[in-house]
Amino acid sequence: SAVISQKPSRDICQRGTSLTIQCQVDSQVTMMFWYRQQPGQSLTLIATANQGSEATYESGFVIDKFPISRPNLTFSTLTVSNMSPEDSSIYLCSVNQGGTGELFFGEGSRLTVL
Amino acid sequence: KQEVTQIPAALSVPEGENLVLNCSFTDSAIYNLQWFRQDPGKGLTSLLLIQSSQREQTSGRLNASLDKSSGRSTLYIAASQPGDSATYLCAVIPNTGNQFYFGTGTSLTVIP
Repeated sequence: SAVISQKPSRDICQRGTSLTIQCQVDSQVTMMFWYRQQPGQSLTLIATANQGSEATYESGFVIDKFPISRPNLTFSTLTVSNMSPEDSSIYLCSVNQGGTGELFFGEGSRLTVL
Repeated sequence: KQEVTQIPAALSVPEGENLVLNCSFTDSAIYNLQWFRQDPGKGLTSLLLIQSSQREQTSGRLNASLDKSSGRSTLYIAASQPGDSATYLCAVIPNTGNQFYFGTGTSLTVIP
């Protein structure tokens, strides 16, 4: 199974600022996924990050608000830009691995915007 | 679009009871179904993965079954313990595409 480290684990931010979340995987993976989980809700896919190409964003999410970097096969970052209280969520990095396609998650980054 | 539903939304049981969590999905053309556990404010821990050709998977006190034709999966937890208290989510990945579709979760409380 993949081991995924996310930083920061939690943060409290001011409205209008930006925060970058880092995701490090212990093995090389083709695709990395970024999810958002709003309070009391299930997970929503933000985007899929492939190494060497632009991230693919889901409906309702745009690159200007959630820029993603994927510089190599073990690392990715998600930036939440110009934050508002509505961005308060848990942001989760995940990968699927192996022939089974099993999905693994990091510990999540809990973001509170005041 | 695939829709995944979990019933009940919340469940409270005394320690030692066996219990069943339910997951239903609208499109039976799935590649995998996966059950996760989530502790408050934390990420998701994979519990069991069932591939579309399989009917069930077991790990310790957990058993997950899959009936694609009826669009249902169940997670059976035997001899529940207070440490099992968490939210349990199921997710399906369709035959095409890479996106997992998540259910809304069942919040389980096991009372000592």
